[in-house]
Order: sequence, then structure tokens, then C-alpha cells
Amino acid sequence: EVHLLESGGGLVQPGGSLRLSCAASGFTFSSNSMAWVRQAPGKGLEWVSSISSTGAYIYYAGSVKGRFTISRDNSKNTLFLQMNSLGADDTAVYYCATIHSGYYFDFWGQGALVTVSS
Amino acid sequence: QSALTQPPSASGSPGQSVTISCTGTSSDVGGYNYVSWYQQHPGKAPKLMIYEVSKRPSGVPDRFSGSKSGNTASLTVSGLQAEDEADYYCSSYGGSNNWGVFGTGTKVTVL
Repeated sequence: EVHLLESGGGLVQPGGSLRLSCAASGFTFSSNSMAWVRQAPGKGLEWVSSISSTGAYIYYAGSVKGRFTISRDNSKNTLFLQMNSLGADDTAVYYCATIHSGYYFDFWGQGALVTVSS
Repeated sequence: QSALTQPPSASGSPGQSVTISCTGTSSDVGGYNYVSWYQQHPGKAPKLMIYEVSKRPSGVPDRFSGSKSGNTASLTVSGLQAEDEADYYCSSYGGSNNWGVFGTGTKVTVL
């Protein structure tokens, strides 16, 4: 059974940084592309970033480009999202998800809440 | 990156059908057969319901179906049941500069 567990969320001041982790199990992590998707309180889903199985290909949404960095450690079955220069608009639940080759998100974690506030 | 356009709400009585539209452009929905649909209940993670326009993952009831015409994709839920009441989001691949765009979301209410 596929299991994705996000961690690292919390309260951070505007301009601060935070690093999210996503521990994966139940599938061959090193063979799967992965993604981060976020959802602001009461709002819709927003794709944040994607990374290929080896990390060779990385994509970002325009709203986070230059501030967020996605990475992965295939030896530890873990996905990361380094978030810098955080603003109130980054307040959201952040989900990690597996990406199927058909460009869809087939399995999702339960999410980690990031709150940016002073 | 603009979100795909969905109606804010849709509703139907138990047993009826409801169809949700998802309108994009030729650069996303119209340009690729990579439209997917997700169901989200309050406080829960999204769940994949349809992928590659019209394919259903294992375990998803055949009451859920998808289609596409031009720049608009659609999700139809037939034989509505109480547990179908949820938010639904479409998504499409949009090329390397707009990799994963979601729709604005539709709240489905079972009357």
C-alpha cells in the first residue's frame, strides 16, 4: 500500500524559511516522479512543483519560482520542499503526491499545514 | 499560469446525473489528453477519479466518467449518491512552462 507522510509544517514569520519532507513507502520511490500541491484555507488546489524520478527534470509554478526548491533523496525514499522568502500567500496545506507517467497525481499524502504569520 | 475554469457549484438529487465542465486553452486541456479529475471531501486529501480524460483507476465506480471536446473537459457523475457530495477539481498538463494546472473547483451537492 502506498503511503506518503508529510512533515515539517508549522508557523513561520513572513520572510522566513521552512523545509517540508515527505516520507514515502509501499512503492518503488526511485522510479516515480513526485510533486507538491498546495491548498490555501478555503481555496482550491494549486500545483507547486514537480521532480522526475532521478531529479534531472524539475518544474515550478510561477508563484514559487526562485523561492522554493524541490529535491529528493532516493536512498531515503524522501521528497523535500525548501521554502524561502515566505509570505502570507504561501499559507496552505502542502500535499506531496506521486506522479504517473500520464501527468496525473495518483497517490496523495494527508498534507502538512504551513502558516505564515507574524 | 491561469487556473482552468469550472462552475462553482452543481447539484442533483439521488439517482440523477450531474456534469461538471472544465475549460482551458489549446495550450493545456485542448493540447493534450492528460486531463484528470480529483474528488475531495472536507478535511481530506484529494482522490484521483479520472485520468487521461476518460480512464478510471481501479476501485472508482463506473458511475464516474470523463470526456473532452476541444478546450473543455467534462466529468459526469451518474446515479448520484450521498457520498458523492464533495469538491471536484480538474487538472491538465500544460507543457513544461505550465506543468500542472488545476481547475477552480466545483462543489457538488446531493439534494
